[in-house]
Amino acid sequence: DIVMTQTPLSSPVTLGQPASISCRSSQSLVHSDGNTYLSWLQQRPGQPPRLLIYKISNRFSGVPDRFSGSGAGTDFTLKISRVEAEDVGVYYCMQGTQFPRTFGQGTKVEIK
Amino acid sequence: EVQLVESGGNLVQPGGSLRLSCAASGFTFSSYWMSWVRQAPGKGLEWVANLNQDGNEKHYVDSVKGRFTISRDNAKNTLYLQMNSLRAEDTALYYCARGGLWCPYWGQGTLVTVSS
Repeated sequence: DIVMTQTPLSSPVTLGQPASISCRSSQSLVHSDGNTYLSWLQQRPGQPPRLLIYKISNRFSGVPDRFSGSGAGTDFTLKISRVEAEDVGVYYCMQGTQFPRTFGQGTKVEIK
Repeated sequence: EVQLVESGGNLVQPGGSLRLSCAASGFTFSSYWMSWVRQAPGKGLEWVANLNQDGNEKHYVDSVKGRFTISRDNAKNTLYLQMNSLRAEDTALYYCARGGLWCPYWGQGTLVTVSS
């Protein structure tokens, strides 16, 4: 199974400041079809997960442009350019390249 | 508007069975892979299973293989998860999600508690 490792596990951030979350996979996430199926999800307290980014860097419909994804191979990053109060929650990376699908442990973003 | 509504969660004894349902609306259900993902209380997300559009390709996480069965009824726009031989470690909020490579839409979840 592909192990997804996120760092940090907790990220206290000042409102208006940037935040960055790293996700590293134990194997390359490049699929045989040439795509890399790495997505990022946000889970606000008491809510189901919400897709932010798919295929490394594609922002899902309705996601603010302060969220961006980057990376390749085994190393990926989610960046929030200026954290807002509504961004508080847990962020997960997920790989869709190989079965079983696997998630990172989650990174809790909170306001300082 | 895409909607996914799970049901069927309950308190069940170890060794018991439950069938979860996920009613889909707002999109052409038969055109999409569908997934089940669970979240134990206070824990992270765990992918459980998914299946393709016509239900003839199914995949499971090792911990549920042989105990859980994912299926779908495209005529009823409904996804199912039959859970047998339930264990305490299956206690979780079970989410239905659209998609197989990434999951853009999620339901609110249904709670399964396995306890004597």
